[in-house]
Amino acid sequence: GAVVSQHPSWVICKSGTSVKIECRSLDFQATTMFWYRQFPKQSLMLMATSNEGSKATYEQGVEKDKFLINHASLTLSTLTVTSAHPEDSSFYICSAPPTSGNLETQYFGPGTRLLVL
Amino acid sequence: SQKIEQNSEALNIQEGKTATLTCNYTNYSPAYLQWYRQDPGRGPVFLLLIRENEKEKRKERLKVTFDTTLKQSLFHITASQPADSATYLCALGGESGGYQKVTFGTGTKLQVIP
Repeated sequence: GAVVSQHPSWVICKSGTSVKIECRSLDFQATTMFWYRQFPKQSLMLMATSNEGSKATYEQGVEKDKFLINHASLTLSTLTVTSAHPEDSSFYICSAPPTSGNLETQYFGPGTRLLVL
Repeated sequence: SQKIEQNSEALNIQEGKTATLTCNYTNYSPAYLQWYRQDPGRGPVFLLLIRENEKEKRKERLKVTFDTTLKQSLFHITASQPADSATYLCALGGESGGYQKVTFGTGTKLQVIP
């Protein structure tokens, strides 16, 4: 089956630093990728839609200058948490619908656990 | 306001019984609804998709129904096993803002007791 990877799987950083998280579709192309955030015991909340070759679309309440998204190729999207603070500590998950096949299909990455000290 | 509620934050069930999970939504008109399984510390895994013009879908021990009048989906796991213990999420898709964009429900943590 289709695989989406994320790197790193977990990261600990100091407050004020920036962290980059990669999302890769390993065996399919994706013009769109989605970034979610999940706090403990809560559901996934969509942060933004990453579009290959164009600007990302952010959900209401998500600061685009704080969560920088770059979709540089059909298999890679990156999320950079700039000037991270402890409240940004969360589980970040990406998903990718394949360019070909069923429109409703999405494959999720394994997630990246971010802890900001 | 829009809501997707999965009744029962947690559900305990005896092994071998049928688990029934509920997903109710308000102020949505989804073109499709999905069910996912999520294990602790992992990303969601797709289980089943049902479109707005479909009433029921089955896959092995799984069955999902979709009632757009009641704005409800039911997810059944028959002959439940301890390995089915996980959090199950429903997700609505196909609304305005992008056909592939989905919004997740609150989740139900299922515990199958041996």
